[in-house]
Amino acid sequence: QVQLVESGGGAVQPGRSLRLSCAASGFNFGSYAMHWVRQAPGKGLEWVALIFYDGTNEYYTDSVRGRFTISRDNSKNTLYLQMNSLRTEDTAIYYCASELRIAVTGHEYFQLWGQGTLVTVSS
Amino acid sequence: EIVLTQSPATLSLSPGERATLSCRASQSVSSYLAWYQHKPGQAPRLLIYDASNRAPGIPARFSGSGSGTDFTLTIGSLEPEDFAVYYCQQRSNWPPLTFGGGTKVEIK
Repeated sequence: QVQLVESGGGAVQPGRSLRLSCAASGFNFGSYAMHWVRQAPGKGLEWVALIFYDGTNEYYTDSVRGRFTISRDNSKNTLYLQMNSLRTEDTAIYYCASELRIAVTGHEYFQLWGQGTLVTVSS
Repeated sequence: EIVLTQSPATLSLSPGERATLSCRASQSVSSYLAWYQHKPGQAPRLLIYDASNRAPGIPARFSGSGSGTDFTLTIGSLEPEDFAVYYCQQRSNWPPLTFGGGTKVEIK
């Protein structure tokens, strides 16, 4: 079955760390760029980070750069998000998503999404 | 950063009615725009890519149009399962990849 399953969410105090995982199955994980996207309570979707299929490049939204690190282990079909120095504003459901590249245009979009894992940062 | 503005924020319609959702970009994104459907507790789903192409498995009642800065998602005749939040998203100029604020399509 083609799916992404996130884990590792939970409640944590400000300033602490948490590592999220995203387990992929049913497709060739190592061939796809991967993203983390989050949704704060009552808010819309916000892109967080991207890692290329081979892990050679990473990109971050400004609010998490220097605090979060995206990584992947293609031998384990798993994507990670290491979150350090957490802030209350990082409270959100975190989704992992695989990238679809359109052959004709070369454009990329979010194709497959997980169900998300909730991170709550509160004292 | 390209800002995507969606309108209206909420659309109250009955099943069988036509829904028209708008997404406006702060600068041109050419056709590099997608639409996603998101229901509570579920994974978002890609509906439309490159502004007007339906993703595999998406019913024909969903259609997208536009280019440059103005885009529209139309749901031809609302089915009960279509009541959800819809987001537009661009990757023409990144990082960051950006989403619109969303339009909630609710049952009237």
